[in-house]
Amino acid sequence: EVQLLESGGGLVQPGGSLRLSCAASGFTFSSCAMSWVRQTPGKGLEWVSPISRSGATTYYADSVQGRFTVSRDNSKNTLYLQMNDLRAEDTAVYYCAKADGYNLWRPLDCWGQGTLVTVSS
Amino acid sequence: QSALTQPASVSGSPGQSITISCTGTSSDVGGYNYVSWYQQHPGKAPKLMIYDVTERPSGVSNRFSGSKSGNTASLTISGLQAEDEADYYCTSYRGSATSVFGTGTKVTVL
Repeated sequence: EVQLLESGGGLVQPGGSLRLSCAASGFTFSSCAMSWVRQTPGKGLEWVSPISRSGATTYYADSVQGRFTVSRDNSKNTLYLQMNDLRAEDTAVYYCAKADGYNLWRPLDCWGQGTLVTVSS
Repeated sequence: QSALTQPASVSGSPGQSITISCTGTSSDVGGYNYVSWYQQHPGKAPKLMIYDVTERPSGVSNRFSGSKSGNTASLTISGLQAEDEADYYCTSYRGSATSVFGTGTKVTVL
């Protein structure tokens, strides 16, 4: 069974940093592109960042470009999202999700349960 | 990065069919056959229901179907059931290494 388990969310002050992790199991992690997607409270979904299966190719939403960094450790089957210079508008539930193949833009066929990030003083 | 446009809400009675629209532009929905639909129940993670406009993942009921005409994609739920009450989001590749979600539609089963 494919499983994705996020961790690392919490309360952080504006300007602070957090590192999210996503532990994957039940599939060949190194064969699949992965993505982070966030959902603001009571609102919609927003692509944050996809990453290729090797980690060599990454993209970012304009809203997080230059502040967030996505990475992965295929030896540990783990996806990461380093978030710096956090702002109130980054408050959201962050999901990691698996693409149904190696292409970054393939549909996301499995999602974690999400981890809540709250940016507030 | 403006979102794709969906109706805020759609409702129907059990057994009826409903259709949710997802309107974009020729740069996203109209330009690629990479439209997907996700179902999200309250407090739960999204679930993939349709991909590549019309394809259904294994395990998804054949009551769910997708289509596209021009810059508008659609998700149809036939034989509406109580368990279908949820939020639905479309998404499309937009080129230039970006992808965009729709604004979301709340489906209510009357």
